[in-house]
Amino acid sequence: GENVEQHPSTLSVQEGDSAVIKCTYSDSASNYFPWYKQELGKRPQLIIDIRSNVGEKKDQRIAVTLNKTAKHFSLHITETQPEDSAVYFCAASIGGGGNKLTFGTGTQLKVEL
Amino acid sequence: DGGITQSPKYLFRKEGQNVTLSCEQNLNHDAMYWYRQDPGQGLRLIYYSQIVNDFQKGDIAEGYSVSREKKESFPLTVTSAQKNPTAFYLCASSPHSRDTQYFGPGTRLTVL
Repeated sequence: GENVEQHPSTLSVQEGDSAVIKCTYSDSASNYFPWYKQELGKRPQLIIDIRSNVGEKKDQRIAVTLNKTAKHFSLHITETQPEDSAVYFCAASIGGGGNKLTFGTGTQLKVEL
Repeated sequence: DGGITQSPKYLFRKEGQNVTLSCEQNLNHDAMYWYRQDPGQGLRLIYYSQIVNDFQKGDIAEGYSVSREKKESFPLTVTSAQKNPTAFYLCASSPHSRDTQYFGPGTRLTVL
C-alpha cells in the first residue's frame, strides 16, 4: 500500500520568514495530494490540494509543488504569521470519489515573534 | 465542515466495555471515513464506506466495527477487543465525485 513520509517533524521560524514542509510518497498511482492544518484539539482543515496533472498551485501565502518523477511534494508558506502555528499533515491518494487517503506523520510549525 | 457532527466530544470507557461513537453528515456526501489519531502521530484509517450498506477495512480495523445503514450516518463501535483504544477519533466525508475529505470535530476516547 501507499506510504507517505513527512519532514521535518518540527519546524520553528521567525515571523515573516518562509516555511517549507516536504513529503514523499511510494505509490506512483497516487494522483491527489491534499494538505491539512490542525490546531490543538481541533479537526484537520484542508488548506490546499494538488492533482498530478499540475506541478504547482498557489493560494495567497500558501503554495504546493509536486514532482511526480521524484514522488515528492512540498508545502510552502510565505510571510509566516503567528496564526500559522499548527500541525500540518500531507496526504496522498489514488483519487476518485471515495478513495482513501494515506497521511504523513505531521509537522509541528511554530512561528515565533 | 459544519455539516459533519460527532458525538460525544469526550467519552470515558471502562476496560472490557464496548462503546459507539456517532458520526452524522447533512452534506449529502456518499463516502464516509473513520480515522484514529494518537499524540504526535498522523491519522490512520480504521474503516471507510463509499456507499450505503457497504464498507471496507482500513489499515487498523482490528477491534473496531462499523455500519452504514443510512447515507448520513456512519457509527463506529470500539469493542473490548481493541487493546489500546485511548485516542482522538475523527470522522470524515467526501462527495462521490471528488477526493476532498471534510472532517468532523472529533471524539476523544479515554479508557479508564
